[in-house]
Amino acid sequence: NAGVMQNPRHLVRRRGQEARLRCSPMKGHSHVYWYRQLPEEGLKFMVYLQKENIIDESGMPKERFSAEFPKEGPSILRIQQVVRGDSAAYFCASSTRGQDNYGYTFGSGTRLTVV
Amino acid sequence: RKEVEQDPGPFNVPEGATVAFNCTYSNSASQSFFWYRQDCRKEPKLLMSVYSSGNEDGRFTAQLNRASQYISLLIRDSKLSDSATYLCVIEAPNTGFQKLVFGTGTRLLVSP
Repeated sequence: NAGVMQNPRHLVRRRGQEARLRCSPMKGHSHVYWYRQLPEEGLKFMVYLQKENIIDESGMPKERFSAEFPKEGPSILRIQQVVRGDSAAYFCASSTRGQDNYGYTFGSGTRLTVV
Repeated sequence: RKEVEQDPGPFNVPEGATVAFNCTYSNSASQSFFWYRQDCRKEPKLLMSVYSSGNEDGRFTAQLNRASQYISLLIRDSKLSDSATYLCVIEAPNTGFQKLVFGTGTRLLVSP
């Protein structure tokens, strides 16, 4: 019973390239959340998705960032034209429903380094 | 003012010591509270939820003071393996889903 799976674990991109981060939720989970942790900072909410729907993207930067959770396949966080400031750990979590009171389980994250 | 504030530490304690971390939050409408643990370069892991009545899980005790908007975590009989960063987390109110707001964490170092 695999947990939340994220890949790649580490990703290096040059400035201006695109980064694609993937998140496969736990089996049976249809709600996905993305968080970002900049160096020496706390995790910050980015986006909440259900299958084929973006529910809340209030934490997403206005430009270059997008997320999707298609009917089939993993959730994708896409960063276009990366800049050094995008270097961070990106964590994904999933749940069976959006309103839970138990906290949720994170994947092991993708560490993006922009050079 | 930050939504969740924690002393970054580090707290350096010997094995067997008792250590307490505190956290304050700014939004009085928050309803759910958690402590997470994060090891270096790893994902945060849920340590325990925090209830108004206080709750205990083995060597760990969490308390919530709604009037003062204050959350605490007490670790008794510290082990070397307790060395980590402890994240105070609240659920942002009135969002319709569990949107978590994280503190920057308190670092604990337990030495032999």
